[in-house]
Amino acid sequence: EVQLLESGGGLVQPGGSLRLSCAASGFIFSSYAMNWVRQAPGKGLEWVSAISNGGGSTYYADSVKGRFTISRDNSKNTLSLQMNSLRAEDTAVYYCAKDREMGATKYFDLWGRGTLVIVSS
Amino acid sequence: DIQMTQSPSTLSASVGDRVTITCRASQSINRWLAWYQQKPGKAPKLLIYKASSLENGVPSRFSGSASGTEFTLTVSSLQPDDFATYYCQQYNSYSLTFGQGTKVEIK
Repeated sequence: EVQLLESGGGLVQPGGSLRLSCAASGFIFSSYAMNWVRQAPGKGLEWVSAISNGGGSTYYADSVKGRFTISRDNSKNTLSLQMNSLRAEDTAVYYCAKDREMGATKYFDLWGRGTLVIVSS
Repeated sequence: DIQMTQSPSTLSASVGDRVTITCRASQSINRWLAWYQQKPGKAPKLLIYKASSLENGVPSRFSGSASGTEFTLTVSSLQPDDFATYYCQQYNSYSLTFGQGTKVEIK
């Protein structure tokens, strides 16, 4: 089955760190750029970060640049997001999302169910 | 960053209505625009890409169009399953940006 499954969310104090993972299955993971998109409670969608299919190129929203690091392990079909210096405004459901086509097309045809991150003391 | 201004924020409609949602880009994005549908507690679903290309499996009552920096999503005859929130997304360049969303409610 073609799917993405996020894990690693939870409650963390401001200034803390958390690492999210996304396990991919059912498609050739190493052929597609991957992304993280988040959604604060009751709010709209915000793109967070992207990584090229080989992992050599990474991109970040200004709101997370310098604090978050995206990475991937193509041998394990896994995408990760290391989140440091977390703030209350980082509270959101974090979705893993796959580019629709090879070549970093930058729109998404497959999404995970999401994992909730709550930053609070 | 490219700003995407979506309107209206809420739309009340009845089954069978023709509905139109608009998204305006702050600068040229060519036709690099996608539309998604999201239902409560669920991940977004891709409907349209490259402004007017229908994603596989999406009903033909959904269509997209473009004129300059203004983009439109139209549902020709609203069905019960279509009550949801819709988002546009530009993918002309990183940083990718979404519109603020349009909630389509039952009148």
